[in-house]
Amino acid sequence: KQEVTQIPAALSVPEGENLVLNCSFTDSAIYNLQWFRQDPGKGLTSLLLIQSSQREQTSGRLNASLDKSSGRSTLYIAASQPGDSATYLCAVHSGGGADGLTFGKGTHLIIQP
Amino acid sequence: DGGITQSPKYLFRKEGQNVTLSCEQNLNHDAMYWYRQDPGQGLRLIYYSQIVNDFQKGDIAEGYSVSREKKESFPLTVTSAQKNPTAFYLCASSIGRSSENTIYFGEGSWLTVV
Repeated sequence: KQEVTQIPAALSVPEGENLVLNCSFTDSAIYNLQWFRQDPGKGLTSLLLIQSSQREQTSGRLNASLDKSSGRSTLYIAASQPGDSATYLCAVHSGGGADGLTFGKGTHLIIQP
Repeated sequence: DGGITQSPKYLFRKEGQNVTLSCEQNLNHDAMYWYRQDPGQGLRLIYYSQIVNDFQKGDIAEGYSVSREKKESFPLTVTSAQKNPTAFYLCASSIGRSSENTIYFGEGSWLTVV
C-alpha cells in the first residue's frame, strides 16, 4: 500500500528566503505526482503536476522535482512572500484504490513579513 | 468561469438526519470524486465516478451515498448511518482518470453535527 509522508509538518521562515518542502512515497511505481496549495478553510489549488517520465516542472517561483527511484519529490519556493503562507500537499497517483491517489498530510508554511 | 461549485459552504446536521452536499462542475470532466478531510489527516476518498451512471466506493464509503445522473453533477448524501460526519468535504474532478490528468477541487463544504 502506497504511503506518502511530508516533512516538515510545519515550517516558519522570514520573507525573502528560498525554501524546500519534501514529499516521500514508499512505492516508486507511480504514474504522476501533484503538488497542491490549500488556504485555511478552502479547497485545494493545483500547483504542479509531474508525470512519472519527467524530472521537474516549473511555474513562476515554484519548481518541483521528482526522483522516482528514491521515492522523493521536492517543492522549491524561491524568494518567499507572505502570500505563500498556506498548507502544501502532495499527492501520488500509483493505481491503487478507486482513484489511485494517495495524499500526504501536508506542510503548514508560514512566511513571516 | 469554469470550475467546481460546492454548496452549501456550511451545513449543520441533527442526529438521525440525512443531508446532501451538492457538487456541480462546468469543466466537461468525466471523472468526479468526493473526499473527506479531517484535521491533521490527509484526504480520504469517499466515492469516485468515472462516467455518468457509474461510481465506485472509496476507502471510507460506509454511511455515504452518491448518484451520477448527469455529467456535471455528483451529489453526496451523508446518511444517519455515518457516525462521525463532522468534517470538511471536498469535491473534485478530472478530464479522465487521474493517472495522467490534473485533478481540480471545489472550495469545500463544512458539515457539523449538532
